[in-house]
Amino acid sequence: DTGVSQDPRHKITKRGQNVTFRCDPISEHNRLYWYRQTLGQGPEFLTYFQNEAQLEKSRLLSDRFSAERPKGSFSTLEIQRTEQGDSAMYLCASSETDRGDQPQHFGDGTRLSIL
Amino acid sequence: AQKVTQAQTEISVVEKEDVTLDCVYETRDTTYYLFWYKQPPSGELVFLIRRNSFDEQNEISGRYSWNFQKSTSSFNFTITASQVVDSAVYFCALSETFSGGGADGLTFGKGTHLIIQP
Repeated sequence: DTGVSQDPRHKITKRGQNVTFRCDPISEHNRLYWYRQTLGQGPEFLTYFQNEAQLEKSRLLSDRFSAERPKGSFSTLEIQRTEQGDSAMYLCASSETDRGDQPQHFGDGTRLSIL
Repeated sequence: AQKVTQAQTEISVVEKEDVTLDCVYETRDTTYYLFWYKQPPSGELVFLIRRNSFDEQNEISGRYSWNFQKSTSSFNFTITASQVVDSAVYFCALSETFSGGGADGLTFGKGTHLIIQP
């Protein structure tokens, strides 16, 4: 049983660099979500996709952030010109349908550290 | 706007004690969903339960039980006869529905760090 897969698990980079994370959802899950979690806090919603369409973006998603899901399968989250405040765990989740009662299944996350 | 409050930042109990984790939510929607997730030290969020706003029946699953009270906007989680393996951060989350019937991202509380001492 393959769950949600995220790559890399850890990323350390210098301030100002660009970084890209990848998420592979559970097969045939058409909803894919990105969240950010900082230490001692719950995950905060960033954006989600229904198949390849990006349907909503949180106000947390500044212009330096961009997400794609080109073929409705895997997704990438890119952060340009990283800042210290971007240091966090970035979580990806997927769900089977767009019904609210379907649970979101989370990956292990990508921990980003900005030096 | 929706909001989830988990007032207990940290709870520490001795193994075999019962423990209740509180969750209070705010929403203007009449249709919504509530969830509990467990985040062990390894970091992965593990889904535990979901409940929709029209189903106020309590649920029991082994040592876990959930008490949903719409009148007080609460969805509390009780672990009976706690075990060391229950040690984790537990998150309560809320999902509202938009007019099309689907759901947006989850709104999480800040979590309760549960420590079960042997």
